Amino acid sequence: DVKVTQSSRYLVKRTGEKVFLECVQDMDHENMFWYRQDPGLGLRLIYFSYDVKMKEKGDIPEGYSVSREKKERFSLILESASTNQTSMYLCASSPQLAGTYEQYFGPGTRLTVT
Amino acid sequence: AQSVAQPEDQVNVAEGNPLTVKCTYSVSGNPYLFWYVQYPNRGLQFLLKYITGDNLVKGSYGFEAEFNKSQTSFHLKKPSALVSDSALYFCAVRDGRGSTLGRLYFGRGTQLTVWP
Repeated sequence: DVKVTQSSRYLVKRTGEKVFLECVQDMDHENMFWYRQDPGLGLRLIYFSYDVKMKEKGDIPEGYSVSREKKERFSLILESASTNQTSMYLCASSPQLAGTYEQYFGPGTRLTVT
Repeated sequence: AQSVAQPEDQVNVAEGNPLTVKCTYSVSGNPYLFWYVQYPNRGLQFLLKYITGDNLVKGSYGFEAEFNKSQTSFHLKKPSALVSDSALYFCAVRDGRGSTLGRLYFGRGTQLTVWP
């Protein structure tokens, strides 16, 4: 089974702190994604990556950056956390294999910024 | 532009009754369509997908979905609902013309509640 793990299930940070959210997948997938999920807004794509050291902006990249130094790990960075970044953050991965486009999700990190 | 609409924020159904969760989509090329389920405080779990072939797709936990090209719909169905089906359901689409690098576009989700 595909396994996507995220470093924390729950995280509480203060405004202005630099926050790192880590995601690791064990299925050698090329593509990795970061979403945030808010009630009534569904999933919104922050960034994605299709190869090591490659990244693409999603729909809401402002206030975030990402790092992918190894194929299995994709990190989301909040440079200076703000209260409007309080949310559920979901990481996902998928293979670059024709016909297999579904994404596999981690359990999520619920981040609270106070 | 690619997009997904889930017209109902909430669907309520009695246990044992059939359930339908609606999804319509918009893509430029042929659509690849997906359904995911999310239980409380969990990540999304893949249920089923339509890529090509038979319009009726069967997935996990007894769910199925019907692709209707003329109505640009991909409704999720189950003949007999269970209380344990209560969860948040997401429809997603991507353009079939895209490469394997393509992203998915998700709907806003539909909260399904099955009461005993």
